[in-house]
Amino acid sequence: AQRVTQPEKLLSVFKGAPVELKCNYSYSGSPELFWYVQYSRQRLQLLLRHISRESIKGFTADLNKGETSFHLKKPFAQEEDSAMYYCALWDLRGYQKVTFGTGTKLQVIP
Amino acid sequence: DGGITQSPKYLFRKEGQNVTLSCEQNLNHDAMYWYRQDPGQGLRLIYYSQIVNDFQKGDIAEGYSVSREKKESFPLTVTSAQKNPTAFYLCASSRQGSSGNTIYFGEGSWLTVV
Repeated sequence: AQRVTQPEKLLSVFKGAPVELKCNYSYSGSPELFWYVQYSRQRLQLLLRHISRESIKGFTADLNKGETSFHLKKPFAQEEDSAMYYCALWDLRGYQKVTFGTGTKLQVIP
Repeated sequence: DGGITQSPKYLFRKEGQNVTLSCEQNLNHDAMYWYRQDPGQGLRLIYYSQIVNDFQKGDIAEGYSVSREKKESFPLTVTSAQKNPTAFYLCASSRQGSSGNTIYFGEGSWLTVV
């Protein structure tokens, strides 16, 4: 069964400090992985996906198949980055099941 | 305005009553999903549907039912068999494209059972 693990419920960092939100997954096959963000009082929205290899709002994430990880990183945290972050895995085999992790709340301290 | 609309936003029901949450999308997406969001537990998949007249159980389907009679609509019924129905419910739909898959969410529905 596919699973997404986000070990940290809360991550507090100071403004300007580096950020790394951890995500590990279990999946038999080649996964498609995403990071979603939920700002206060807003709906969940896509932050980035691994196949795009893009940087959004300064965030990047690299898929490491050997370690089955997809950690989200940003070199310098900003106050507006404070939000809930969810890692998600898309099962491309058959029924398009999308599994989310438990989420990490990022708190950037001014 | 395109998107996913969930209604009602807030709903109160007495214990033992069934309740149906509405989800409509005008994005022409084939796949639709229902998640439950609880503090500390993230998003847990209840049901999902890849196409009209077909749906699959997610990880926590017990006590819930769905239908997919139209592409645009995927209502969720929370039955009296659901032991802990008070939660925030999120509906989503997804598209597949050459640039990758994307899932879009509604604003959610708060259900409180008293």
